[in-house]
Amino acid sequence: GAVVSQHPSWVICKSGTSVKIECRSLDFQATTMFWYRQFPKQSLMLMATSNEGSKATYEQGVEKDKFLINHASLTLSTLTVTSAHPEDSSFYICSVIGGVMAEAFFGQGTRLTVV
Amino acid sequence: AQKVTQAQTEISVVEKEDVTLDCVYETRDTTYYLFWYKQPPSGELVFLIRRNSFDEQNEISGRYSWNFQKSTSSFNFTITASQVVDSAVYFCALSADNAGNMLTFGGGTRLMVKP
Repeated sequence: GAVVSQHPSWVICKSGTSVKIECRSLDFQATTMFWYRQFPKQSLMLMATSNEGSKATYEQGVEKDKFLINHASLTLSTLTVTSAHPEDSSFYICSVIGGVMAEAFFGQGTRLTVV
Repeated sequence: AQKVTQAQTEISVVEKEDVTLDCVYETRDTTYYLFWYKQPPSGELVFLIRRNSFDEQNEISGRYSWNFQKSTSSFNFTITASQVVDSAVYFCALSADNAGNMLTFGGGTRLMVKP
C-alpha cells in the first residue's frame, strides 16, 4: 500500500488564487519531508526541505513567500502556492524518508494547472 | 556542487531488445549514494536501486542490472529483454546520504518499448 499520500492528484485553478497541496506520511513519522517540482518533460528539482515544528529550508531561486510550507505534525506537510500564475503550472511531488532501510518514498504527485 | 547527467533524453526499442540507460555524475563528496527511479505515465516515482560509493559491485535484479564504475563516474542501468511495461521515464539521482535526502536528479531518459 501507499506509504506517502499526496492530495490532490491534480488541480486546476485560476490565476491569482492559492492552492494547498498536502503530503501525508502514512506509515511512519517524518520530521523531514521534501518538496520537488517537475516542469513538463523536465527533471525533478528540489524546492524545499520541510522541517517539523520549524521553518522550511528553501533552495536557491525558490520564493519562500510564494511557496508556503507548513509541517505542523510528524505526518503532514503542506505546500501552498500563493497567488498562482500560469508559470507555476507544474508537477509537485513530495518525499518522506523512512522505513527499515531508510529510503525516500514519494507521493503520487500533484499536477497543478493555473489558467 | 552535485550534478547528474543522463545524455539520452529518449530511447525507443522493440520488445525483447536489451537497452542501457546511461548516467554520469559529478560530486566532490567522497561518500555518496546513487539511485535509479522509474516514473510511469501516472507520475509517481518507483524506487529501483540504491548504491553507495564504496560498493562497486554490479547488481542484477531480474531483468534489471546496474554497472557502477567509479573511475568514469558512471552508474548505468540495463534492462534485458525489454517489455512494453518498461516504458517510462527513468531518473538517475545522487545524494550525499544513504536515505536519499535532497536528491539531485538527472534529466531523465524516456524509454519507449514498442511491441
